[in-house]
Amino acid sequence: EAGVVQSPRYKIIEKKQPVAFWCNPISGHNTLYWYLQNLGQGPELLIRYENEEAVDDSQLPKDRFSAERLKGVDSTLKIQPAELGDSAVYLCASSLFSGAYNEQFFGPGTRLTVL
Amino acid sequence: TQLLEQSPQFLSIQEGENLTVYCNSSSVFSSLQWYRQEPGEGPVLLVTVVTGGEVKKLKRLTFQFGDARKDSSLHITAAQTGDTGLYLCAGALIQGAQKLVFGQGTRLTINP
Repeated sequence: EAGVVQSPRYKIIEKKQPVAFWCNPISGHNTLYWYLQNLGQGPELLIRYENEEAVDDSQLPKDRFSAERLKGVDSTLKIQPAELGDSAVYLCASSLFSGAYNEQFFGPGTRLTVL
Repeated sequence: TQLLEQSPQFLSIQEGENLTVYCNSSSVFSSLQWYRQEPGEGPVLLVTVVTGGEVKKLKRLTFQFGDARKDSSLHITAAQTGDTGLYLCAGALIQGAQKLVFGQGTRLTINP
């Protein structure tokens, strides 16, 4: 079974430029998460989708960040314009809502460097 | 303020030694998970504990959920260099909740 796929793995851009990250979750997983992880820290949730609906985007900086999950499968996270402080690893995770325990499966992440 | 506090933040020990890392909170969690993350990779789930006082073993790793479900510990016996990584605890405040709260992690280095 293929895991969570993310691309690109690395991205270097200059501040004020736009950037987009792509995630393909594990087949059949209806819940998809985007996290931000700063160096040496735990992941912080940006947005959570259940199927194609964003059910928790309270931590997403909506002035510059946007996300979509068309058709309830893969997802794109966009930053426009990027700021120096956006340099971090952006992780995508997916899970199958079973009503019991939320076991999330993570992709390898996209390491963003804003110069 | 972190809802889940992990300690220590950094730990460097020699191969063969034992160690314990902690995950503490003032909040009660329905379930708690431990993940390990290696450089350049995403976190990988190690275990989920759901019952107060529960102990789970995964080879040389022993996980315990506190009786009051506010804290957890991870004990590694006879550490190996392959145990090196960032250990993250994550909790669900409500049973079945799809949102996890992560601690800041313990960066463990096992020296040969």
